[in-house]
Amino acid sequence: EAQVTQNPRYLITVTGKKLTVTCSQNMNHEYMSWYRQDPGLGLRQIYYSMNVEVTDKGDVPEGYKVSRKEKRNFPLILESPSPNQTSLYFCASSLNRGVNEKLFFGSGTQLSVL
Amino acid sequence: GNSVTQMEGPVTLSEEAFLTINCTYTATGYPSLFWYVQYPGEGLQLLLKATKADDKGSNKGFEATYRKETTSFHLEKGSVQVSDSAVYFCALWNQAGTALIFGKGTTLSVSS
Repeated sequence: EAQVTQNPRYLITVTGKKLTVTCSQNMNHEYMSWYRQDPGLGLRQIYYSMNVEVTDKGDVPEGYKVSRKEKRNFPLILESPSPNQTSLYFCASSLNRGVNEKLFFGSGTQLSVL
Repeated sequence: GNSVTQMEGPVTLSEEAFLTINCTYTATGYPSLFWYVQYPGEGLQLLLKATKADDKGSNKGFEATYRKETTSFHLEKGSVQVSDSAVYFCALWNQAGTALIFGKGTTLSVSS
């Protein structure tokens, strides 16, 4: 089944403790992206990747890192999480970059930073 | 740059009522327009899309028409069901094709 898989679904951590949210797609997609969803703010892009070893900042990259060593995986790394990074995170992928492409989303990771 | 504005909810309807969720856009050129839906506890999934002016996208009884004259892409359904309760997002890609830009989402709640 074609899908984007994120793990974990729920994560509670403390300020400053490094964490990684994994994302994997099985559709051989070139483009992958991370979004965060916050009440009243909607979805905002954190980082995106056009292909292996090609990543770039989105609208809200501060405090996050990503890597794209393999085509299928695009982990999101929080080196020193802070409470303002408490949010619902989504990984997404598409065959190619826009403008007509359909984005496939993972089920989300609810992160709480205490 | 490209942007999208949609009515914010919540929208509360009774089963079988008519639904309209308004969406207007600003864009360079004529990019594809999308409606995504997020059911409780799930990720977003594509509901429908339209790729050019006057195109009508449709799926699961929902429809939206790409209107160039009014720069709108309103979502409609003639008879909503309880199972339609979800958050609906209007979206389009930015000009560079590097980010899908979303409206803030409209929460629909349908009661029986």
